[in-house]
Formats: sequence, structure tokens, C-alpha cells
Amino acid sequence: QKEVEQNSGPLSVPEGAIASLNCTYSDRGSQSFFWYRQYSGKSPELIMSIYSNGDKEDGRFTAQLNKASQYVSLLIRDSQPSDSATYLCAVAWGGTASKLTFGTGTRLQVTL
Amino acid sequence: GAVVSQHPSRVICKSGTSVKIECRSLDFQATTMFWYRQFPKQSLMLMATSNEGSKATYEQGVEKDKFLINHASLTLSTLTVTSAHPEDSSFYICSASRQGATYNEQFFGPGTRLTVL
Repeated sequence: QKEVEQNSGPLSVPEGAIASLNCTYSDRGSQSFFWYRQYSGKSPELIMSIYSNGDKEDGRFTAQLNKASQYVSLLIRDSQPSDSATYLCAVAWGGTASKLTFGTGTRLQVTL
Repeated sequence: GAVVSQHPSRVICKSGTSVKIECRSLDFQATTMFWYRQFPKQSLMLMATSNEGSKATYEQGVEKDKFLINHASLTLSTLTVTSAHPEDSSFYICSASRQGATYNEQFFGPGTRLTVL
């Protein structure tokens, strides 16, 4: 059973702070890792993808992958109230067009 | 790029009727499309995977005779909920993987909220 685990939260951070979201996965054969943002009542939106160990930065977002520890994280710098949402970690085990397994999501609240 | 649309966005129907939901990739050709269902305060649950021109692959516990999937072209997949009942009320979301992509990002449609009375 391939599993993806996230802390459900809520994670509360003040505006301007760094939000750190974490995700662990069970299968060492995992190949691709994604972070999606989902606002209440809306569908998920892809914000980051990462495939190699290390960091990947895109604007205020940084994804970090450590395959040895089976751990992927998302850092959000200068958090804004508009970042308040549920963040879903997703992992793919196969090749192109393979299925994703989602974590249950971490709810982030950015407070004024 | 990588825009996926769904229609309708919201539907209310009577118990026993069938509802068809369309999923289109607007600016790319989709090798594979996926159908998910999401109940309130729960994560996404994959229902089925469809490839253009072939039968869909359903996840365990999903009734293929109730949830009919047709993937007629590289830009269109449809999900038909047959003989819908109140317990089928949910948020149905499709996603698509881009043909020829090196990796397997999935791009999601905006979802269809189904309410069965």
C-alpha cells in the first residue's frame, strides 16, 4: 500500500512569516513529487513539482526533496493571507501519465 | 498553457436520473485523463484512469457500470453518473496529463458539484 502522509493542521503562521509544510511517502521507488494548492470549494492547482534531490525555487515557493529520508517539503516565504488554503502533497510511482497518490492535505492559515 | 475545463460546473438532479460531465483539455493534447471524487473535508479519491480510444481503468470499489467513462479524443473525456442517488452527491474533478510530457504533472479542471435530490 503506497501511502503519502501529511499533518492535517491547521498550520497557523503570521503574515510575512515562512510557512513550512511537510510530507512523507512510503515507497522508495517514487519518482515524481508535486504540491497542489486547493482553496475551499475549488479544485487543486499545481504550484510546484520536483523530481531530484535538493531544492527547487519558484518565486516565494521552495520545494525540498530528500529521497533517502522519503521526505518532501514546501516552504512559502513572506506568507500572505491569500496563501490560506489546503496544500496537497502528491506522489507518482510510475512513468508518464501514471497515477498520483495524494496526502490528506495540510490546512494553512495565514493570520494578519 | 495546460488549461482544463469542465462542464457543467454545478448540477442538481432528481434521484434516478443520469448526469454527464465533460472534461476538456483546451490547449494541449491529453494522453491520459483522470476522474476524481471529493467529499467534504476529505482528500481526492481517484475513481478511474482513461486513455484515448481504450477502456477506462477503474479503482477498486468504483462501479464501472454506474460511472461510465468515455475518452473519445485526446482533448475530451466524459463521465456519466447513471441512475444517480443522493449518496453520489459530491465534487467531481477531472485532470489531464499532457501528451509527450517527460514527467507526469496532472492539471485539474475546475470541478463539477453534483447534488442529487
